[in-house]
Amino acid sequence: DTGVSQNPRHKITKRGQNVTFRCDPISEHNRLYWYRQTLGQGPEFLTYFQNEAQLEKSRLLSDRFSAERPKGSFSTLEIQRTEQGDSAMYLCASGPANSPLHFGNGTRLTVT
Amino acid sequence: GENVEQHPSTLSVQEGDSAVIKCTYSDSASNYFPWYKQELGKGPQLIIDIRSNVGEKKDQRIAVTLNKTAKHFSLHITETQPEDSAVYFCAARDRAGANNLFFGTGTRLTVIP
Repeated sequence: DTGVSQNPRHKITKRGQNVTFRCDPISEHNRLYWYRQTLGQGPEFLTYFQNEAQLEKSRLLSDRFSAERPKGSFSTLEIQRTEQGDSAMYLCASGPANSPLHFGNGTRLTVT
Repeated sequence: GENVEQHPSTLSVQEGDSAVIKCTYSDSASNYFPWYKQELGKGPQLIIDIRSNVGEKKDQRIAVTLNKTAKHFSLHITETQPEDSAVYFCAARDRAGANNLFFGTGTRLTVIP
């Protein structure tokens, strides 16, 4: 079991720059989720894919955020024109339908 | 949407004692309640979960209870060990087949050797 893999683990960027994160889910899981976690808080849902289809997006996901899962396997989350408020841990999770979610170790984004 | 509240925010216990963390949820249609343990620098790790058709579930030193009428659920850790020290999150899924979990704000558990 290789688990959910996220890259990079850490990203430091300057305000206004674009960043992209990658998530490789557990191979047999058709559902993939992105969450954001700020210090001292629980994870907050951002978006969800079933295979390659993006089925749900949170109101937290502003127009500067876009996520893709082109072949129903790995997923990318891009943030354009980053702001300091985007600094957070970005978590990816995967799971089969109606089953527990398995989280990766996240990408910690710092916007300076 | 679902709203999950979690108490206490911090908890310190002596090694060997029990720890209890409590959560409430708002949506009576919620049907799945997992608990996650998060260690520093890592993602949340599922430790136990319970579905709404069950009142209690146990796995070695960890147990979860669910009271659907009162809309609250609790995590019980017995015979605590220093390696149990971490942040624990409860969560609720608000309806059958729903796509996301709503998390509490976490409890930082410290087990004092």
